Amino acid sequence: DAGVTQSPTHLIKTRGQQVTLRCSPISGHKSVSWYQQVLGQGPQFIFQYYEKEERGRGNFPDRFSARQFPNYSSELNVNALLLGDSALYLCASSRAKRVTDTQYFGPGTRLTVL
Amino acid sequence: AQSVSQHNHHVILSEAASLELGCNYSYGGTVNLFWYVQYPGQHLQLLLKYFSGDPLVKGIKGFEAEFIKSKFSFNLRKPSVQWSDTAEYFCAVTPGDTDKLIFGTGTRLQVFP
Repeated sequence: DAGVTQSPTHLIKTRGQQVTLRCSPISGHKSVSWYQQVLGQGPQFIFQYYEKEERGRGNFPDRFSARQFPNYSSELNVNALLLGDSALYLCASSRAKRVTDTQYFGPGTRLTVL
Repeated sequence: AQSVSQHNHHVILSEAASLELGCNYSYGGTVNLFWYVQYPGQHLQLLLKYFSGDPLVKGIKGFEAEFIKSKFSFNLRKPSVQWSDTAEYFCAVTPGDTDKLIFGTGTRLQVFP
């Protein structure tokens, strides 16, 4: 079975621009979570979606938004990019709504903001 | 502030040495505890988890972790490491009153043959 896939792999943007990152969960998984991993830090929770509804949100500004589609894929949008948004963005999928269900992580999208 | 602490940022061992990586959390009440591992060039993956019951949890590849409630700790251990254990290890906690996975900063383990 294919694992969690994310696109693009790498992305370079300039301050003030907007970016959209995409995630396809493992087949049969209805939950998608997004994490931001800054260099030298652990992943930080941004959002969780289950059955197209937002179930949780981390301490991120409103510039960050996400959605989940009927096929359970998800997009993360970041507006008005700042230098500090440079990070690896990870997507994780799971079968159930609780984050205690085993999370399967994708390879991440490396975002560089110049 | 509530947090997950991994005090060992970088650990270097020779093969066959014993390993213990520290993890402490500052949440009161019920917690669910996890160790994730990221091998070079691979995705982050679950190593083991603790929800309740026996505080000594066994995971994949010979790893185990012990939950000590009084010390707010969930240390990861392996009696004899191998070169293939070279990876970054992350402790994570789900506080009982939330449904968010909170990660520590990670410990980079290097094992030399």
